[in-house]
Amino acid sequence: QQQVKQSPQSLIVQKGGISIINCAYENTAFDYFPWYQQFPGKGPALLIAIRPDVSEKKEGRFTISFNKSAKQFSLHIMDSQPGDSATYFCAASSSGGSQGNLIFGKGTKLSVKP
Amino acid sequence: EAQVTQNPRYLITVTGKKLTVTCSQNMNHEYMSWYRQDPGLGLRQIYYSMNVEVTDKGDVPEGYKVSRKEKRNFPLILESPSPNQTSLYFCASSFWGSGANVLTFGAGSRLTVL
Repeated sequence: QQQVKQSPQSLIVQKGGISIINCAYENTAFDYFPWYQQFPGKGPALLIAIRPDVSEKKEGRFTISFNKSAKQFSLHIMDSQPGDSATYFCAASSSGGSQGNLIFGKGTKLSVKP
Repeated sequence: EAQVTQNPRYLITVTGKKLTVTCSQNMNHEYMSWYRQDPGLGLRQIYYSMNVEVTDKGDVPEGYKVSRKEKRNFPLILESPSPNQTSLYFCASSFWGSGANVLTFGAGSRLTVL
């Protein structure tokens, strides 16, 4: 119930291509869905986040698509660049209960080939 | 500079030798949390704290202790480390209660237990 399932575990994309990472959740109380980006040797950092009142949020080349009925959300990286090579984590939390405590997916290691 | 500081960054120790990983934040955040990161398993929460003297177990608390005596500090204690606690550890903090928990992570502490 508390899990966030992320796929794929790893992804190789050519420079200029589109990277797509998917996440699914079960807990309908989740109402905040962030993505974190982690470069080697660093801690994760917030990349982009969405709430379920919108179906899409775009920031530069990064877009979150959200499907409330399917309980799925995804990260799209347009025109992928070698500098985007990192591990990406989706996460979810709810405002109630242990409010705000983030549940993370297992991560996707993205490699963008020049 | 707003940051979460962990020490030590690297540590090699032996089974059974008590150790403490310190975590300090300078952002006056209420919420602090510890995660361990292992290949294929992503970020797993060990303990979290919603404020001073308030702590709760995460997904993998066994073998760990925490305390929150001051708002800025949240040390992770391994009373009797074992080899299965060899991992990369991250401390994180954020403001609490907004329903949008934006975590600031430390740079990580790589622990090896022989």
